[in-house]
Amino acid sequence: AQSVTQPDIHITVSEGASLELRCNYSYGATPYLFWYVQSPGQGLQLLLKYFSGDTLVQGIKGFEAEFKRSQSSFNLRKPSVHWSDAAEYFCAVGSPGGGADGLTFGKGTHLIIQP
Amino acid sequence: DADVTQTPRNRITKTGKRIMLECSQTKGHDRMYWYRQDPGLGLQLIYYSFDVKDINKGEISDGYSVSRQAQAKFSLSLESAIPNQTALYFCATSDGTSDTQYFGPGTRLTVL
Repeated sequence: AQSVTQPDIHITVSEGASLELRCNYSYGATPYLFWYVQSPGQGLQLLLKYFSGDTLVQGIKGFEAEFKRSQSSFNLRKPSVHWSDAAEYFCAVGSPGGGADGLTFGKGTHLIIQP
Repeated sequence: DADVTQTPRNRITKTGKRIMLECSQTKGHDRMYWYRQDPGLGLQLIYYSFDVKDINKGEISDGYSVSRQAQAKFSLSLESAIPNQTALYFCATSDGTSDTQYFGPGTRLTVL
């Protein structure tokens, strides 16, 4: 069974500083990988996704993520955070080919931005 | 207009009541999903449907049922609500080829 681990429940970063949110997955092959963001009181918005090809993926709002097969990781990064980035971030894994019974989500990382 | 809509957005009910949460989508996707979100637990899959005639249980389907009335509509029912079903419920859709899911805004359900 596939699984996703987000080791950090909370992360606090100063505005303007760089950010890295960790995600590790367990899957038998190369999965589809996703990062979603949930702002307070909102639904989930897709930030970026990895299916194949270039292991560095660019997303919306200045985010990027790097797929590292050897480490089973898909960490999310941003060079300079803004106060509006404060939110809950979820990493998710799905099965290639769209045959999955839904996505498997990590438990989320709550990002706090300090002024 | 939003591609995936959920009604109601908030609902407070009492133990034992029957509740229906509705989801509609204009994305033309065949696949629809219901998730439940609890603080610190991420999202857990309740039910999913690959088309009108295909309904599947997810990891936490006990106490829930669903109806796929049309390609665009997928309803979640709690036949007899209990307090531990208090949670945020999300509907999502997918075109089935990329596994990318598009989420509705959520329904916050409180069972007293």
